[in-house]
Amino acid sequence: RKEVEQDPGPFNVPEGATVAFNCTYSNSASQSFFWYRQDCRKEPKLLMSVYSSGNEDGRFTAQLNRASQYISLLIRDSKLSDSATYLCVVNGLNSGNTPLVFGKGTRLSVIA
Amino acid sequence: DAGVTQSPTHLIKTRGQHVTLRCSPISGHKSVSWYQQVLGQGPQFIFQYYEKEERGRGNFPDRFSARQFPNYSSELNVNALLLGDSALYLCASSLGANQPQHFGDGTRLSIL
Repeated sequence: RKEVEQDPGPFNVPEGATVAFNCTYSNSASQSFFWYRQDCRKEPKLLMSVYSSGNEDGRFTAQLNRASQYISLLIRDSKLSDSATYLCVVNGLNSGNTPLVFGKGTRLSVIA
Repeated sequence: DAGVTQSPTHLIKTRGQHVTLRCSPISGHKSVSWYQQVLGQGPQFIFQYYEKEERGRGNFPDRFSARQFPNYSSELNVNALLLGDSALYLCASSLGANQPQHFGDGTRLSIL
């Protein structure tokens, strides 16, 4: 099982749609969770941290389910500028020598 | 405030050569990590340094080495370059070893 697995994508959605990305992780000792956004040929940029109680930042909502080792990202009212690859990232204190483990990413295209 | 800066931005080398990539972290950040990202994949962890000491090493051959200097800048060295080393090399800095990481623009390395 891969350490971090994401929906394969790509997701092609119209403007204004709500889209959800899912991610599972294998290391139950993982302590920190993040969503990063990466535009084509650019560096990853931190979108938001994910907290146990769930958290929201504008149109973006992140959820964490430790029991199921599952993380989600919900984007409401999609904009054209949301088109990017979304990377699920897990950080484990006991994950050996790998401080941050990235999923392969899910590509989102928002269409006018 | 300046973000993470990397140099050079692009580099072309031939097989068997050696390369040195450089990274300056965000001011005040003491942790620097290096990642390799090939097309279609998420970043793969190579090294992490914190307070000038190696804190983690990913599954990369000994041809890859790194160090962190007293001013917290860092170098990644790769010897005996192979075609498969062609990738985007990303440097990320953070306040601490398990804090959210902020990426530089990366160095795009092409091996001919």
